[in-house]
Parts: sequence; structure tokens; C-alpha cells
Amino acid sequence: GAGVSQSPRYKVAKRGQDVALRCDPISGHVSLFWYQQALGQGPEFLTYFQNEAQLDKSGLPSDRFFAERPEGSVSTLKIQRTQQEDSAVYLCASSLRARTSGHNEQFFGPGTRLTVL
Amino acid sequence: GENVEQHPSTLSVQEGDSAVIKCTYSDSASNYFPWYKQELGKRPQLIIDIRSNVGEKKDQRIAVTLNKTAKHFSLHITETQPEDSAVYFCASPNYGGSQGNLIFGKGTKLSVKP
Repeated sequence: GAGVSQSPRYKVAKRGQDVALRCDPISGHVSLFWYQQALGQGPEFLTYFQNEAQLDKSGLPSDRFFAERPEGSVSTLKIQRTQQEDSAVYLCASSLRARTSGHNEQFFGPGTRLTVL
Repeated sequence: GENVEQHPSTLSVQEGDSAVIKCTYSDSASNYFPWYKQELGKRPQLIIDIRSNVGEKKDQRIAVTLNKTAKHFSLHITETQPEDSAVYFCASPNYGGSQGNLIFGKGTKLSVKP
């Protein structure tokens, strides 16, 4: 079966532009996570969805970042008025069960590499 | 919240040698410790995980050990091969947050020389 997919794979934006990054999780996966990975660093948590509910957005770095998962499957991470410090790889991950059911494997997508000029 | 420290940041070994990567964590409530492998430009992939009710877990050439008293866990790769070259990340849940997010270490770049 298909794994987690993300689009676009690469995005170049001019400073101040808005961008939208898409994540298609594995079908039937309840949990969806967004991470930001700076060059040479580990993934850092941004936000978590359980089905369509955004239960944790404590990792979003500013109010310019917004995420949604309206039908409990595909998710979009939107960044408004992009800044150079937003340049990073944005990873999406999904897992089968809700996080409250105990930790289970997170399957990562290939990421979107965002470069803000 | 949880803090995960990983070392070394880089590790170079000869093919056939063993490699050991160590991580420490701060939250004594943590009970799940996965290890991910990320090849250059690729997605992180889970290679092994351990839960707090066991001290060691093996899967062919890789093993993970957990010491809950000392709050550290280690990845062991034996008989290393060039295809083991990658960045390895440890992680631990952050129960200080509302939902127990995974907190990742900064990664170890492993190079296996043929």
C-alpha cells in the first residue's frame, strides 16, 4: 500500500509569500503529526491531529503557522508571510491509533523542503 | 518538558566493526523509545523501538538497550555495512506536554568505511 505522501517536494518562496504544504497520510491512520526539520537537526514537533481534531498545536512557532485536517485524512500546513527562518524541511507523519492508545510507530512522509529567499 | 541528548554527533567506523549511539532523557515518565534512520534526502524510518517494560531488544544486527534508572538508552549496530551509513535519531515522549509528543535528539551521522 501507499505510504505517507507530501506535496510539493520542493517549494521556493519569496519572503512575505504564503505557502501551503499538503500531507496525505496512510489511509485509516487516526493520528497525524507535522514536524519541522532544520538542516542538521532532528525533527521538531509542530502540531498533532487525532482524526479532524487538532489536539495539540503547542509546537507552532508563531501565529503565521496554521494547520488543518478538515475531513480527518489529508492535512494542510499553511505558513503566512514567510520569513527566511521558516526555511526547513517540513515532515508529516501518521500513525494508526490515537496517541492516547499508547505510542505506536509514526510513518513519515518524504517531506517538503521549503526555501524562503 | 522532556529533553533528549544524543551523542556522538558523528561516528565513523570500518565496515564490520560495531557502532554505539547513546541518548539520555529527562522525563522519568517516558516509556517508549524509538530509533529512526534517515538517509540523505530521505524520510526518517523506524528501525527499532523499546518500551519501558524491557531492558533490551534485538533485531538481527541492531539492538537497543534501556536503563531506566540512569535514564539512558543506546543503539547498537554490529557487523556494520556501508548501507548503514545514515543519520540516526533517538526519540522519547514529552509527557510534560498535553499529548506526549515525540522529542528527537539532534542525530548521529554514522559513516561506515568499506
